[in-house]
Amino acid sequence: DTAVSQTPKYLVTQMGNDKSIKCEQNLGHDTMYWYKQDSKKFLKIMFSYNNKELIINETVPNRFSPKSPDKAHLNLHINSLELGDSAVYFCASSQKSDNLKLFFGSGTQLSVL
Amino acid sequence: SQQGEEDPQALSIQEGENATMNCSYKTSINNLQWYRQNSGRGLVHLILIRSNEREKHSGRLRVTLDTSKKSSSLLITASRAADTASYFCATSARGGSEKLVFGKGTKLTVNP
Repeated sequence: DTAVSQTPKYLVTQMGNDKSIKCEQNLGHDTMYWYKQDSKKFLKIMFSYNNKELIINETVPNRFSPKSPDKAHLNLHINSLELGDSAVYFCASSQKSDNLKLFFGSGTQLSVL
Repeated sequence: SQQGEEDPQALSIQEGENATMNCSYKTSINNLQWYRQNSGRGLVHLILIRSNEREKHSGRLRVTLDTSKKSSSLLITASRAADTASYFCATSARGGSEKLVFGKGTKLTVNP
């Protein structure tokens, strides 16, 4: 009955590889997000989707491509992984009418070697 | 930048003491929220205060907002070891894009 679930929890991969992180929410929310948290715990928004439509793209390299097949899912595909991509990636969701109160997944720790 | 800044960066107290964390931000806001992050976990929403509110309570939490100083404080009373976590403030800008911008967090340690 997890509200926002993302997989995998840990991802260790070599530079240059392509990987995906999946996210699903069962809260009935209409907006989903990807945030990146660096080693200093700084949390920065990457993307947000509202009803499958991209509404925020925060100057993220185009190696990162989000995909929202429906409003309950927002996946993140990363091409040509670089060392600097190592971080914890959080998926979150909210209801547009609810003051941007976010519900977070438990995070995916990505380590690029 | 809209980004909030928490103060202090780290705080260590004894169980039973009160913990106060501060947040400053730069732009006009719609609301300010506080989140908690336990080690290795996602953030959990604690409390939201709107720009026209000055104080809000939820259990052992008390949040104040001073829009003239662009600052907020989070007070946790009678702290417990389980309150050990990082605490983040987050703001949504008035008239801005619909995104929540987080501060850098305060790491709170409550010693038993």
